[in-house]
Amino acid sequence: QVQLEESGGGVVQPGRSLRISCAASGFTFSDYAMHWVRQAPGKGLEWVAVISYDDRDKYYADSVKGRFTISRDNSKNTLYLEMSSLRGEDTAVYYCARDYIAGAGTSPSYFDYWGQGTLVTVSS
Amino acid sequence: SYVLTQPPSVSVAPGQTARITCGGNNIGSNSVHWYQQKPGQAPVLVVHDDSDRPSGIPERISGSNSGNTATLAISRVEAGDEADYYCQVWDSSSDHWVFGGGTKLTVL
Repeated sequence: QVQLEESGGGVVQPGRSLRISCAASGFTFSDYAMHWVRQAPGKGLEWVAVISYDDRDKYYADSVKGRFTISRDNSKNTLYLEMSSLRGEDTAVYYCARDYIAGAGTSPSYFDYWGQGTLVTVSS
Repeated sequence: SYVLTQPPSVSVAPGQTARITCGGNNIGSNSVHWYQQKPGQAPVLVVHDDSDRPSGIPERISGSNSGNTATLAISRVEAGDEADYYCQVWDSSSDHWVFGGGTKLTVL
């Protein structure tokens, strides 16, 4: 069965950096685009970033563009999100989610599987 | 960027039908997807492409989309349907994925 497991969350000071990971199993990871979606405490879902199956295409929400970098290692079945210049408003549970197709930003798509999330708290 | 508008809350008695709307400019020309999120849990896809259900989702849950409004309907509502529900589209003008603000479904 498809499993996505996030890790690496924690408390980080404003302005610092943090990298979170998502380990995938139960499917051919290199066949699918992958996303990060976040949810601030008590708030709704916010799409953060997407990476195509082959690492060629990446797109970011305006709120994180230039500060966050999405990447993947298909040999390790792992998705990453490098977050820099962190702000208080970046505090959220970060979910990785599988796109139902391979490409990113090429056609309408949705998230068919989600991990359980990892909490990132930005605070001094 | 494209904006999706959902009512913050919907309440319904057990056994009745709950309807949750998702408004957007000419949303009928987009594919709309719906997620259910229970407290402390990750979202779960319940409807994709306006009206298709993933395997394991009961037939009581259905979707429709036309004009400026998409609707998620849950018939014969049960206590276990209490959750937050989010609509989502892909915005072709920005290559961004967009969520509605979410609707909290309360079973009275």
